[in-house]
Amino acid sequence: GAVVSQHPSRVICKSGTSVKIECRSLDFQATTMFWYRQFPKQSLMLMATSNEGSKATYEQGVEKDKFLINHASLTLSTLTVTSAHPEDSSFYICSARSYSEHYGYTFGSGTRLTVV
Amino acid sequence: GESVGLHLPTLSVQEGDNSIINCAYSNSASDYFIWYKQESGKGPQFIIDIRSNMDKRQGQRVTVLLNKTVKHLSLQIAATQPGDSAVYFCAETRGAGGGNKLTFGTGTQLKVEL
Repeated sequence: GAVVSQHPSRVICKSGTSVKIECRSLDFQATTMFWYRQFPKQSLMLMATSNEGSKATYEQGVEKDKFLINHASLTLSTLTVTSAHPEDSSFYICSARSYSEHYGYTFGSGTRLTVV
Repeated sequence: GESVGLHLPTLSVQEGDNSIINCAYSNSASDYFIWYKQESGKGPQFIIDIRSNMDKRQGQRVTVLLNKTVKHLSLQIAATQPGDSAVYFCAETRGAGGGNKLTFGTGTQLKVEL
């Protein structure tokens, strides 16, 4: 089945630094990838939709200059959290659209970001 | 519908009992719905899906019911097992054939008691 690999699984960074999270579709090509943020005990909130070869579409209230998304190939999208602050600490999850038997939106395993 | 950042409601069931998890959606234009299971510290895992031209769909130990009139979705888990303990989310989108974004519900924490 479709597999999405997300790295790193956990990262701790200092306030003011930048962190890059990678999302790869391992056995399929994903023209569209999605990035979500999830706070403890809450649901997944869509941050942006990433389309290969074009600029990402950000949801209302998400700062595009703070959360940089690059989708340079059909199998890789990256999310860079720039000038991270403690309030950016969260669980970030990517998803890629795979045209599998269940029309999957296949999710990565998530990245726990802690900003200290 | 849109998650509003509420804390997760909890459903506690005895092992072996059936579980019913409910979800209300807000967008009447949504035509494709998915149930996900999320274990702590992991990404969502697909359980079952249903299109709007269906009222019911069954999988292994799971059944999804869709009531478009009242915009309600439910997930039934038969003979609930300890391994079913997780958070369950419904998600909706419009257009099953496209790359449209998913909107997640608030989620339900399922706890299976031995």
